[in-house]
Amino acid sequence: DGGITQSPKYLFRKEGQNVTLSCEQNLNHDAMYWYRQDPGQGLRLIYYSQIVNDFQKGDIAEGYSVSREKKESFPLTVTSAQKNPTAFYLCASSPGTSGRASRGTGELFFGEGSRLTVL
Amino acid sequence: EDKVVQSPLSLVVHEGDTVTLNCSYEVTNFRSLLWYKQEKKAPTFLFMLTSSGIEKKSGRLSSILDKKELFSILNITATQTGDSAIYLCAVEADNYGQNFVFGPGTRLSVLP
Repeated sequence: DGGITQSPKYLFRKEGQNVTLSCEQNLNHDAMYWYRQDPGQGLRLIYYSQIVNDFQKGDIAEGYSVSREKKESFPLTVTSAQKNPTAFYLCASSPGTSGRASRGTGELFFGEGSRLTVL
Repeated sequence: EDKVVQSPLSLVVHEGDTVTLNCSYEVTNFRSLLWYKQEKKAPTFLFMLTSSGIEKKSGRLSSILDKKELFSILNITATQTGDSAIYLCAVEADNYGQNFVFGPGTRLSVLP
């Protein structure tokens, strides 16, 4: 079945370590996104990518890095420079901009999320 | 800067009550407004709205968009405990490619 797979679901990290969160989609979507969610809050955009080999910073990109070498994959690295990395991370995808109609392209499809805890 | 505001941020009701959740926005190049329900993990899609004044319905949930006043409401009638969740409003904007701006969410608690 088509969907988005995030791994790991739970991750513990010691301070000073980099960690990479995986996000894979088989929906043939062009656009992919990483969001951070803190308790009781909405989603804040970290990075997004409209097409392979291209990505843009979101509102809170500092301390994070991404790559988009394949259409299906958009991994997020939480670096030691991120001061407060404990959070719930959500990856999403959408059809994107290529060949779309003038109206909205449709909803975001979300993965199940990765909960990162820094010890 | 694009912005989405939701109110109230938190709401506690009893089963059977009707609730109205609000979402207002300021974005350039508006394309659509979306509502999601988030219970524990991934948000699940409820509605996408692109045109003013056309109500979308799904069971006890309904939503409408006012593009002149830049807001949307989500109504839930005859609430049930299973409606307890965070309800997220997002606006799709066409700025240098597709982008979705989320509001802070409304946390709804439905008591038996």
